[in-house]
Amino acid sequence: GENVEQHPSTLSVQEGDSAVIKCTYSDSASNYFPWYKQELGKRPQLIIDIRSNVGEKKDQRIAVTLNKTAKHFSLHITETQPEDSAVYFCAASRYGGSQGNLIFGKGTKLSVKP
Amino acid sequence: ETGVTQTPRHLVMGMTNKKSLKCEQHLGHNAMYWYKQSAKKPLELMFVYSLEERVENNSVPSRFSPECPNSSHLFLHLHTLQPEDSALYLCASSQVPPGLAGYNEQFFGPGTRLTVL
Repeated sequence: GENVEQHPSTLSVQEGDSAVIKCTYSDSASNYFPWYKQELGKRPQLIIDIRSNVGEKKDQRIAVTLNKTAKHFSLHITETQPEDSAVYFCAASRYGGSQGNLIFGKGTKLSVKP
Repeated sequence: ETGVTQTPRHLVMGMTNKKSLKCEQHLGHNAMYWYKQSAKKPLELMFVYSLEERVENNSVPSRFSPECPNSSHLFLHLHTLQPEDSALYLCASSQVPPGLAGYNEQFFGPGTRLTVL
């Protein structure tokens, strides 16, 4: 089955700096890669996703890149703010949404210092 | 409010007890999920129901028994649990295949914090 590795497990940056979180996946048939953000004591929420027919996607300060050959994808957050502090989870699915099964990475705890 | 509710929010039970967790979604979705969240495995998929039929069971011990009576409700029946089952149990729902937005975002509930003594 699919296995998703996520690094780093913790990341601390200064406000205004950029943050990058990387994930690798094992199933070459995976074709849908969402990122979820979970603030302390709250539920995970989708922040951005990418499908395998796209190499990069941006939404304001966040972007995701996908390298299908290397089977890795990354989350980039620019101009970080304290409210970006949270745990971020990457995930992969081979069904492109037809069944919705997601395999999650172990999460990255991002701390943005003011 | 995301439209997915879970009850109870906190539960303490002994190893010989039987209890049930409830999840309800008000989003008109047709797929529901149970996840276990712990320090060891932050988001571990347990069960997937699509169109009220179980489509995936990620080798979960039989002491966890899911039930999906309709597309809006999902239960997790618990019996003879172990202390290592203590965790946050999250329910989620989505629309499959994807809706007009083009993706099947999973909407999570607030979770049930379970402690097994």
